[in-house]
Amino acid sequence: GNSVTQMEGPVTLSEEAFLTINCTYTATGYPSLFWYVQYPGEGLQLLLKATKADDKGSNKGFEATYRKETTSFHLEKGSVQVSDSAVYFCALSEGSSASKIIFGSGTRLSIRP
Amino acid sequence: GAVVSQHPSWVICKSGTSVKIECRSLDFQATTMFWYRQFPKQSLMLMATSNEGSKATYEQGVEKDKFLINHASLTLSTLTVTSAHPEDSSFYICSASGSNQPQHFGDGTRLSIL
Repeated sequence: GNSVTQMEGPVTLSEEAFLTINCTYTATGYPSLFWYVQYPGEGLQLLLKATKADDKGSNKGFEATYRKETTSFHLEKGSVQVSDSAVYFCALSEGSSASKIIFGSGTRLSIRP
Repeated sequence: GAVVSQHPSWVICKSGTSVKIECRSLDFQATTMFWYRQFPKQSLMLMATSNEGSKATYEQGVEKDKFLINHASLTLSTLTVTSAHPEDSSFYICSASGSNQPQHFGDGTRLSIL
């Protein structure tokens, strides 16, 4: 079945450091890929997405590129801020927006001032 | 942008009571709604998918008599945890999708059963 595997946390970085959170997926078809962010005590917010191979999703300085050949969708940011501290979930969905989303286990990110 | 409202955001109740959680799409018609459960420091696990006007489809291992889902209108779905016990304590999150709308998530409901 479909699944998402992402880098285990927690990840602790200093402000302005470079961030990479690895994510790989297994899917039978051609899924859409997502990164969601969850701030403490809140629900999920869509951070970025990509719907086909070689697409790059970007938002708020974060980027991820849909790599079909390596079945990966790694999240990167060049210079993190304290406000980026949150839990990040990689996810996939096959089909339309009415299709269920399968989430990775989440990576907790903490940024030190 | 589209907003999904979930209510209540936090509820504490005694063991054996039933608790209802509401999920509303505020500015679009949600033909499909999803209910997820999240244990502390873990990922979201899909519990069920509901389409407006029809019975919900439950994921394997989710008790449909325990977690009653109703999706009677295009803007409202409810999850009722019946005869709740401490092991039902968790963070419950809904999401909604509609025509030309990606899934939008609510802010979640923290349920604590004493």
